[in-house]
Amino acid sequence: QLQLQESGPGLVKPSETLSLTCTVSGGSISSSSYYWGWIRQPPGKGLEWIGSIYYSGSTYYNPSLKSRVTISVDTSKNQFSLKLSSVTAADTAVYYCARLSGIAVAGTTGDYWGQGTLVTVSS
Amino acid sequence: EIVLTQSPGTLSLSPGERATLSCRASQSVSSSYLAWYQQKPGQAPRLLIYGASSRATGIPDRFSGSGSGTDFTLTISRLEPEDFAVYYCQQYGSSPRITFGPGTKVDIK
Repeated sequence: QLQLQESGPGLVKPSETLSLTCTVSGGSISSSSYYWGWIRQPPGKGLEWIGSIYYSGSTYYNPSLKSRVTISVDTSKNQFSLKLSSVTAADTAVYYCARLSGIAVAGTTGDYWGQGTLVTVSS
Repeated sequence: EIVLTQSPGTLSLSPGERATLSCRASQSVSSSYLAWYQQKPGQAPRLLIYGASSRATGIPDRFSGSGSGTDFTLTISRLEPEDFAVYYCQQYGSSPRITFGPGTKVDIK
């Protein structure tokens, strides 16, 4: 059974960089059939797609965050990572990693999700 | 950008009743690229429906999806106690590639 697990600091100071890693188990991140993505959810609010990555390293970002986001993949560790720079309180959210299936670039549907990790931006 | 609107915002029903949730898109969405998720408090979203009408693995047949173009519907034929949750629709398209609706909360009447 595929499992995804987010890890990283739960507290980040304003203006600093948020860094999270998603470890995939029970399947290979190098599968040609899937993309891997990050989605976030501010407390009490809806879901926002941050971006997706293919095992080859091709990335697709939400334009609203593109200037601050970097997603990378480490196939040797079966992991992919998120960096979000210059964070503010508005970036406080539960961050989910997910497997994105579908034939279109960036993936179309999140069929497996991590449990999510709350990241709070505060001094 | 394709904007998804979900209605109603909250649906108050009793177990055993039928739930009909609406998702409307600001532009036409390919049926292949419309999905529905269920989210319970403190949990990650769970994929229910993809391709507008295909149930994901392990999803009970009381959940069904329909629609095309700009209007899509998720129907829960008979609500079970575990179905009270928030439901999101999601589309894939042009930039941004993936967007979600604001959600419909189904709560117990």
